[in-house]
Amino acid sequence: GNSVTQMEGPVTLSEEAFLTINCTYTATGYPSLFWYVQYPGEGLQLLLKATKADDKGSNKGFEATYRKETTSFHLEKGSVQVSDSAVYFCALKVAGTALIFGKGTTLSVSS
Amino acid sequence: DTEVTQTPKHLVMGMTNKKSLKCEQHMGHRAMYWYKQKAKKPPELMFVYSYEKLSINESVPSRFSPECPNSSLLNLHLHALQPEDSALYLCASSQTFSDTQYFGPGTRLTVL
Repeated sequence: GNSVTQMEGPVTLSEEAFLTINCTYTATGYPSLFWYVQYPGEGLQLLLKATKADDKGSNKGFEATYRKETTSFHLEKGSVQVSDSAVYFCALKVAGTALIFGKGTTLSVSS
Repeated sequence: DTEVTQTPKHLVMGMTNKKSLKCEQHMGHRAMYWYKQKAKKPPELMFVYSYEKLSINESVPSRFSPECPNSSLLNLHLHALQPEDSALYLCASSQTFSDTQYFGPGTRLTVL
């Protein structure tokens, strides 16, 4: 079946630190991959996506590369800010099936 | 514009009340979704409407009743809920079922 595994949090960083949140997947077929972010008290926002192998999604300084050989889609940011504190969800979608989320990773950034 | 709107933002209801949640999008999307999210958990899919027809019901109790009056609107009618139904209810939409989903801000529901 299709599934997403992402690193458990919380992840605690100081401002300007480098961020990596690991995400690996199992899928039949050719999935599209997503990172969604949920700020406290809000809904989910699409952060970035990639639809085929070797694609790099990027937005607001965040990046993730679709790696088929390692079935991974790790989220990275070179310098985090306090305002990046949120819950990050990795997700995948195979055509004709529902969107599948990882369990979410809570990021806390302190100044 | 990728905006999905939801009303109300907060809702408190008793177990005998009837209430409705509303979701709206004007992006021309033909697939719309209801999700339930408990604290510190990922969203759980409840219902999918595709071209205004119910296409997926994830074995949701009948006290939740979805409705899609037109291609822009999605309602969730609530009746005789239980306290464990308290959660954040998220609406989402996508061009079609295979496309990227965009989420609304959610309705925070508390059942007393």
